[in-house]
Amino acid sequence: AQKVTQAQTEISVVEKEDVTLDCVYETRDTTYYLFWYKQPPSGELVFLIRRNSFDEQNEISGRYSWNFQKSTSSFNFTITASQVVDSAVYFCARDGSSNTGKLIFGQGTTLQVKP
Amino acid sequence: EPEVTQTPSHQVTQMGQEVILRCVPISNHLYFYWYRQILGQKVEFLVSFYNNEISEKSEIFDDQFSVERPDGSNFTLKIRSTKLEDSAMYFCASSEQPAVNEQFFGPGTRLTVL
Repeated sequence: AQKVTQAQTEISVVEKEDVTLDCVYETRDTTYYLFWYKQPPSGELVFLIRRNSFDEQNEISGRYSWNFQKSTSSFNFTITASQVVDSAVYFCARDGSSNTGKLIFGQGTTLQVKP
Repeated sequence: EPEVTQTPSHQVTQMGQEVILRCVPISNHLYFYWYRQILGQKVEFLVSFYNNEISEKSEIFDDQFSVERPDGSNFTLKIRSTKLEDSAMYFCASSEQPAVNEQFFGPGTRLTVL
């Protein structure tokens, strides 16, 4: 199975700090897709971003930014000027390479932002 | 904005009973999925479904599980004889295309097996 590893189990920061969530993936494919989802305390899974393997441009969306490094198989997520509402579990995922839509999730990183 | 809906939000059942979890995917989506999340753990893929057929299933998805699209809008997951270890949050998701497009998840059904 092609794993996704989120080595940070829990991160705690104080509001307004920047925080980076790490994600490392395994792949044997030339074409693949990477995702980040947010799971707030209410439990739903909220889509944040999708990136395909051919697009190595970093992406910024407001306070969120993503750094895709194919050479190190990493797809890290940075929140700038964190807010209490950012407190959630964040999951990195990749497609299962069988083109059936299967997503393989990492273990998740619990982010706690304290006021 | 279109969204995936799931019912019930919480289901409590006795071990050995059958349960059916229901989902209404986004209407123009063609690919449907079930995932589960045991409390405090990661989200695990169960099954993907397209064109009225299972396109992939995980080793978790054994003979006790089945999926169905009984009409043009619903997508169901049935567990025939529930076990204690089936207690989890079950998420339904849908997408226009596999992988190329993001999957949108429903709010989940919390299944508690006693």
